[in-house]
Amino acid sequence: TQLLEQSPQFLSIQEGENLTVYCNSSSVFSSLQWYRQEPGEGPVLLVTVVTGGEVKKLKRLTFQFGDARKDSSLHITAAQPGDTGLYLCAGGSDYKLSFGAGTTVTVRA
Amino acid sequence: DSGVTQTPKHLITATGQRVTLRCSPRSGDLSVYWYQQSLDQGLQFLIQYYNGEERAKGNILERFSAQQFPDLHSELNLSSLELGDSALYFCASSLAGTSYETQYFGPGTRLLVL
Repeated sequence: TQLLEQSPQFLSIQEGENLTVYCNSSSVFSSLQWYRQEPGEGPVLLVTVVTGGEVKKLKRLTFQFGDARKDSSLHITAAQPGDTGLYLCAGGSDYKLSFGAGTTVTVRA
Repeated sequence: DSGVTQTPKHLITATGQRVTLRCSPRSGDLSVYWYQQSLDQGLQFLIQYYNGEERAKGNILERFSAQQFPDLHSELNLSSLELGDSALYFCASSLAGTSYETQYFGPGTRLLVL
């Protein structure tokens, strides 16, 4: 059982479209991280959010941490084929990170 | 390149055998994490070490053990291997081992148990 639920599990869109990935939990986390993983490689950190209600922007990516620090979303504007990958959210508590199962995003050219 | 190295890259072995996976953290990082990634379970935290001491434990089986050496490299030992242990095993490192920090992941070791 995943502590963090990610939705959707799979997402396939056309280049130029927008997409949103959700990460939900019944637990409160002290921090929430988003990683992207490409096939055959380890996950790479995209962002860390620590304050409830926090919004962070990274070029075309917008990350939001819920007010209660239980959920988060990742929004990509004008997706490009280079955005293709497995997007993982991870909740931090104590010294541990609990990962969601991931959302596989495919952006078609 | 994350700066974290893992060896071997691939490992094929038989049920009942024992293997050792090795990880060298990024220069300056004191904390090492081990994760198991399989298709049905996703990325599962196994164990964390900080400066040679065990700091946190996740879903690590009793057949598995790990340690971090004085030079900060770490080894994950998997024994009495079963078919279900086939997975990608990742090592990650961070500076101080808190959940706020960036964890830098290695390229992983792909283990296949036949």
